[in-house]
Amino acid sequence: GAVVSQHPSWVICKSGTSVKIECRSLDFQATTMFWYRQFPKQSLMLMATSNEGSKATYEQGVEKDKFLINHASLTLSTLTVTSAHPEDSSFYICSARRSFGDSPLHFGNGTRLTVT
Amino acid sequence: AQTVTQSQPEMSVQEAETVTLSCTYDTSESDYYLFWYKQPPSRQMILVIRQEAYKQQNATENRFSVNFQKAAKSFSLKISDSQLGDAAMYFCAYYPFLQGAQKLVFGQGTRLTINP
Repeated sequence: GAVVSQHPSWVICKSGTSVKIECRSLDFQATTMFWYRQFPKQSLMLMATSNEGSKATYEQGVEKDKFLINHASLTLSTLTVTSAHPEDSSFYICSARRSFGDSPLHFGNGTRLTVT
Repeated sequence: AQTVTQSQPEMSVQEAETVTLSCTYDTSESDYYLFWYKQPPSRQMILVIRQEAYKQQNATENRFSVNFQKAAKSFSLKISDSQLGDAAMYFCAYYPFLQGAQKLVFGQGTRLTINP
């Protein structure tokens, strides 16, 4: 159990366009989802924490207007990269938890975004 | 702020030998989880082992075990009988119990190579 599905696995988009990444908890209800960004050969950097039905909490230095996060239901959170630029190219990973205190977090397979 | 440090960017070991990956962390909290995650080339985050800070007994999972030294804030991972499939990036992570601050803090990672 505790499967998290992330879609798409990879996406290529042109500069200036927006792209949406979905994170779904398939067999549990996720009250909280986390979005990470990972550059090549580096660690995961937390971008934001989203709680179902409320606004996401962004980490310092993350542009909330560029990285729009929506967590409209207990099984779905979306990350939209708006007006994408080549420097937004990266690997994005989501994780989810059922409730406060739930451990461990359950990770999606990640999305490789390339902006041309 | 909590920090996690992995001082070994790369490690290598002969197949069937034992290797230990180091991790130290900094926190003023007394209740938390510690994790080791494995990230193979597929980039899927795989939980290797978990340790609750209130437990004195070191966690073990088959060939994987930890040496948890709470006072020293050290959490090393020992891999016994190394196998080719163990080759991956390994991330140490800290996860506090404190409500409102429950998010994973990752170390920089250690790339493990298994030599046949």
